[in-house]
Amino acid sequence: QKEVEQNSGPLSVPEGAIASLNCTYSDRGSQSFFWYRQYSGKSPELIMFIYSNGDKEDGRFTAQLNKASQYVSLLIRDSQPSDSATYLCAVKGRGGSARQLTFGSGTQLTVLP
Amino acid sequence: NAGVTQTPKFQVLKTGQSMTLQCAQDMNHNSMYWYRQDPGMGLRLIYYSASEGTTDKGEVPNGYNVSRLNKREFSLRLESAAPSQTSVYFCASTGTGLNEQFFGPGTRLTVL
Repeated sequence: QKEVEQNSGPLSVPEGAIASLNCTYSDRGSQSFFWYRQYSGKSPELIMFIYSNGDKEDGRFTAQLNKASQYVSLLIRDSQPSDSATYLCAVKGRGGSARQLTFGSGTQLTVLP
Repeated sequence: NAGVTQTPKFQVLKTGQSMTLQCAQDMNHNSMYWYRQDPGMGLRLIYYSASEGTTDKGEVPNGYNVSRLNKREFSLRLESAAPSQTSVYFCASTGTGLNEQFFGPGTRLTVL
């Protein structure tokens, strides 16, 4: 079982819709959770991080964390064609692995005009 | 402020050749990382350096060596390249107490 799992997609949504991206993780002791966006041919860039149960909002983006279910999600409201990218979920471990991030394989999102 | 820089941007090697990928950051970060990214595999950690003078293996270290030359620079060496090492390589850095890893632009390596 992979440590961090994401649906690879592709996920297509119409412009203006809500895009929902999901991620599950296996290490119950994981402390922090990150969403990165990666445009084709470019390097990943951080969108949001979250470490407390519940929701965290930043503009059109909302990260949701449920540690009991080992589940983290990213909602993108009013999706725009410029949101078309691969979204990577990453998890920071505990103890000796606290310096490392473990990434999921990413979900490819396409927002259709 | 250039952030994280990597050289070269592209490289083609023949099987058995060696090369070093260079990475430098100007953000005074303590920790630096090398990842590889293959289609459908996400980012996998090769090696990291939590601070100057220390290096540790990540998930996929076989076939690679690293050197933390100083606080700014962290290099990745392929001693005898293999086709399985064809990939995109990213360097990243982060500061103490920071949550964000900042990534370089990547090196696209092809081993024939």
